[in-house]
Amino acid sequence: GESVGLHLPTLSVQEGDNSIINCAYSNSASDYFIWYKQESGKGPQFIIDIRSNMDKRQGQRVTVLLNKTVKHLSLQIAATQPGDSAVYFCAENSGSVENDYKLSFGAGTTVTVRA
Amino acid sequence: DTGVSQDPRHKITKRGQNVTFRCDPISEHNRLYWYRQTLGQGPEFLTYFQNEAQLEKSRLLSDRFSAERPKGSFSTLEIQRTEQGDSAMYLCASSSTSGRIGELFFGEGSRLTVL
Repeated sequence: GESVGLHLPTLSVQEGDNSIINCAYSNSASDYFIWYKQESGKGPQFIIDIRSNMDKRQGQRVTVLLNKTVKHLSLQIAATQPGDSAVYFCAENSGSVENDYKLSFGAGTTVTVRA
Repeated sequence: DTGVSQDPRHKITKRGQNVTFRCDPISEHNRLYWYRQTLGQGPEFLTYFQNEAQLEKSRLLSDRFSAERPKGSFSTLEIQRTEQGDSAMYLCASSSTSGRIGELFFGEGSRLTVL
């Protein structure tokens, strides 16, 4: 079965506000986590990743937080824009180069940005 | 466009028919993946190639499914004797062993509808 999942299936955000998307995982052996974004009619697109030896990683307008104690992952999007409307998936794997082919995806959170 | 391309984008077939999907990965990528995605769910791993070798198949891949990557370039996914439960989006992705772990480049998918 799936080892990752998301707390909420949908999120509505006002343009310009910050978004927080949550994900819980159950496999305590997971040591590598990734967020993907999927726009309507397109394949998933890599956003940002984090290893289990980190608790925070920042990208352009995005931040991923990892709390290994409670096995929780979050994606924060700053100043949400209409182009951020999409389905967001967290995914995990064992983290080794040999095993990176087998990502396990959660069910996804649909983010809708209100103008 | 130098991304991952999939063909056809949409396929409607009758139960019992065979279908074949093609994937052309990013040319310098040696790894190729097939995932399946049903409505409202995250992608599920089906199979993985490194060059022309198929290194792993998911239990989701019944014996009606076969995937090939004959010359380590494009890949085909064939489904024989299709069933209504096969209706899904079939996603192909590629990556490079020299790239970021877990960063898969997905195509836009081939949507299968079995009547």
